Amino acid sequence: QQKVQQSPESLSVPEGGMASFNCTSSDRNFQYFWWYRQHSGEGPKALMSIFSDGDKKEGRFTAHLNKASLHVSLHIRDSQPSDSALYFCAASEPSDNSKLIWGLGTSLVVNP
Amino acid sequence: GPKVLQIPSHQIIDMGQMVTLNCDPVSNHLYFYWYKQILGQQMEFLVNFYNGKVMEKSKLFKDQFSVERPDGSYFTLKIQPTALEDSAVYFCASSLLGGRAETLYFGSGTRLTVL
Repeated sequence: QQKVQQSPESLSVPEGGMASFNCTSSDRNFQYFWWYRQHSGEGPKALMSIFSDGDKKEGRFTAHLNKASLHVSLHIRDSQPSDSALYFCAASEPSDNSKLIWGLGTSLVVNP
Repeated sequence: GPKVLQIPSHQIIDMGQMVTLNCDPVSNHLYFYWYKQILGQQMEFLVNFYNGKVMEKSKLFKDQFSVERPDGSYFTLKIQPTALEDSAVYFCASSLLGGRAETLYFGSGTRLTVL
């Protein structure tokens, strides 16, 4: 069983629309969450981290964490074609060494 | 932003041969990582490395795998001998410090094909 599960598998939104991604952990040890974005042919790039319950906003991006339900979400408002990419949720194990456990990703297409 | 460079971007080798994947981490970073991504599957942690030593490795980090970073040179992942199941994209990453709150910076990956 995957410890980090993402939904939906793919998503299509119009330019200017809202894109929303979901992520759930099955391991209560995972308390630190990251959102990474990967454009085709590139490596993942960190978008946001969230470690505390509630919302965290950075520009067009808002992450939300509910530790009780182990659910984290990411919302992109005013989506742009350049936002088209794979979005990964990753969680950190409680370790002094950074070791990320990844979901399978959500493919986003923003249509002009 | 900080850049991690990986060389080569593609590598095709015959099963049983040795391969070395090279990574130039962000210059002031102290922690280095290798991750493996197979198409359609999740990215998986292989190993992390600090101060010349492997700190933690996963069960995917087989005995045929080794990592090193001789002073002033690349952080490398060596596979000897290679197997068909080693075909994947290998991503190198680095972070300034260790710990679960640290941001990892990834390279663009090396696509390894074992024939």
